[in-house]
Amino acid sequence: DVKVTQSSRYLVKRTGEKVFLECVQDMDHENMFWYRQDPGLGLRLIYFSYDVKMKEKGDIPEGYSVSREKKERFSLILESASTNQTSMYLCASSLWGRFEKLFFGSGTQLSVL
Amino acid sequence: TQLLEQSPQFLSIQEGENLTVYCNSSSVFSSLQWYRQEPGEGPVLLVTVVTGGEVKKLKRLTFQFGDARKDSSLHITAAQPGDTGLYLCAGPGEYGNKLVFGAGTILRVKS
Repeated sequence: DVKVTQSSRYLVKRTGEKVFLECVQDMDHENMFWYRQDPGLGLRLIYFSYDVKMKEKGDIPEGYSVSREKKERFSLILESASTNQTSMYLCASSLWGRFEKLFFGSGTQLSVL
Repeated sequence: TQLLEQSPQFLSIQEGENLTVYCNSSSVFSSLQWYRQEPGEGPVLLVTVVTGGEVKKLKRLTFQFGDARKDSSLHITAAQPGDTGLYLCAGPGEYGNKLVFGAGTILRVKS
């Protein structure tokens, strides 16, 4: 089975801090995604990547950046955390060209105080 | 922009009851997926429906794709506490390069 591992389950940061969320997948998937999940809003796509060093903006990229230096690792960066970025962050991966079948990590609940 | 609307938002039922949740859109989708997310976990894919009118069964769960491929439903027979979770529908975005998710239905099955 595909395993998508997110480095932290819970994270508490202060406003203005730079925050790194890490995600690693072990099945050689080309595509990787970062979503945030908020009650009543479902999953909203922040960024995705279909290859090493490639990235595409999703629906809500403002305030975020990403890095994909290796195929298995996709990092989400909050340059200067703000309270409205308190959320559940989900990483996912899929095979190249198979954007419709995603494998998710367990999520990181980020609180920005 | 393709949107998926799910209803109801929240459902609380007793063990053994039947239920149906819905996923609707004004747009045509080439396929729709249903995911279940248990507390503290990421969503897990349950099924993908591709053909208009298609019905798929997964044990006590029955998934249907509308004839016009604009809507889908999930019916659970004799719900059990283990069915508790958030049910999400999702479909390919306009350019097929991402998934669009509905807001989900939170299901709670009480024993």
